[in-house]
Order: sequence, then structure tokens, then C-alpha cells
Amino acid sequence: GDSVTQMEGPVTLSEEAFLTINCTYTATGYPSLFWYVQYPGEGLQLLLKATKADDKGSNKGFEATYRKETTSFHLEKGSVQVSDSAVYFCALGYGNKLVFGAGTILRVKS
Amino acid sequence: SAVISQKPSRDICQRGTSLTIQCQVDSQVTMMFWYRQQPGQSLTLIATANQGSEATYESGFVIDKFPISRPNLTFSTLTVSNMSPEDSSIYLCSVQSEDYEQYFGPGTRLTVT
Repeated sequence: GDSVTQMEGPVTLSEEAFLTINCTYTATGYPSLFWYVQYPGEGLQLLLKATKADDKGSNKGFEATYRKETTSFHLEKGSVQVSDSAVYFCALGYGNKLVFGAGTILRVKS
Repeated sequence: SAVISQKPSRDICQRGTSLTIQCQVDSQVTMMFWYRQQPGQSLTLIATANQGSEATYESGFVIDKFPISRPNLTFSTLTVSNMSPEDSSIYLCSVQSEDYEQYFGPGTRLTVT
């Protein structure tokens, strides 16, 4: 079945460091791919998405490229801030169904 | 994007009791979803709720345990019945936009003692 695998956390970085959170997927078709973020004590927010191969989603300095050849959708940010500390979820979706990865905790130290 | 509210935001309940969680959206939506997020884990879809029809449950979830109502296009409830400590989780509702993006409510944190 469809599944999403994320790198295990927590990931701890210093402010202004480069961030990569790996995400790979297994899918029977051609899903859309998403990154959601959950800040402490809050609900999930859609961070970015890509709907087809080679699409790049971007938002708030974060980027991820839909790589069909490597079945990946890695999240990157060039310079993280303390306020980026959160849990990041990679997900794939067909129509109204979303399948989530386990989530990766990011901690950014000042 | 839709604005979604949930009530209650948290609750502590005794085993054997039931809790009904409300989800309110600020716009009319066709599909609403209920998810469970167990401690330290990812989200799992419980069911999909369309207005005017029975909810569709995912494998491992049954209507007797998680009855859902969807009386109109802006509101839904999820009841967690006959609770046990294993039901301690965050329960989230979400809605889907026309371009298939899902937006989530803030969640209801349930602790069963």
C-alpha cells in the first residue's frame, strides 16, 4: 500500500543553519505530495505542496521538489530560525485521502 | 483557506464514558474528515463524513466506537464511545478545499483515566 517514510528526529540545529528533512514515499499511482507543520500546542498547517513530478513547492523560505525518479520530497530551508521549531509531517494524497509520515521534530537553538 | 474550530480543546474522561467532539467550519464544505493522533505518532484517518450520508470508516475503525454526525455543510461531531486509556489521543477534524488541500482544526486533546 501507499506509505511515507521520514527521517527520524529530533533534528537539532543552530539558528541560520541549513535544514534538510528527508521524505520518501511508496505509491501505486501519481499522488500529490505535501508538507504540514505542527507548532507546539497548535493544529496542523499546510506548509507547501507539489502536485506532479518536478514541481517545486515553496513557502516561508521552505522548499521541496517532487522527485518521481527517487520517489522523494525532501524539505529544505537555507537558514532556519528558532520560530521554525515544530513537528514536520510529509504526506501523500490522492483526491481526499492523505497518508502521513511519522513526523520529524525540529529544534532550533539560538 | 477555511477556519476550523473544535470543542472541547481538551478533556479528561473516565474509562467507560463517552465524549462528543464538535467541529465547526466557517464555510460550506462537502467533505469533512476525522483523524486521530496518538501520543508521539502520526495522524491516522478515522473516517470521512459527507453531509446527508453515512460516514465512511477506515480499516480498524467502526461506527459503534466512533459514531459521526454531519447534519449540515459546516458542522460535524465525532463521539468516542466507551472510552479506554488507549483512546487517549488528539482528535482532529479537517476539511478539503476545491483544489484538494486539507485544512485542519486545532485538535481535541483527550486523556482517558
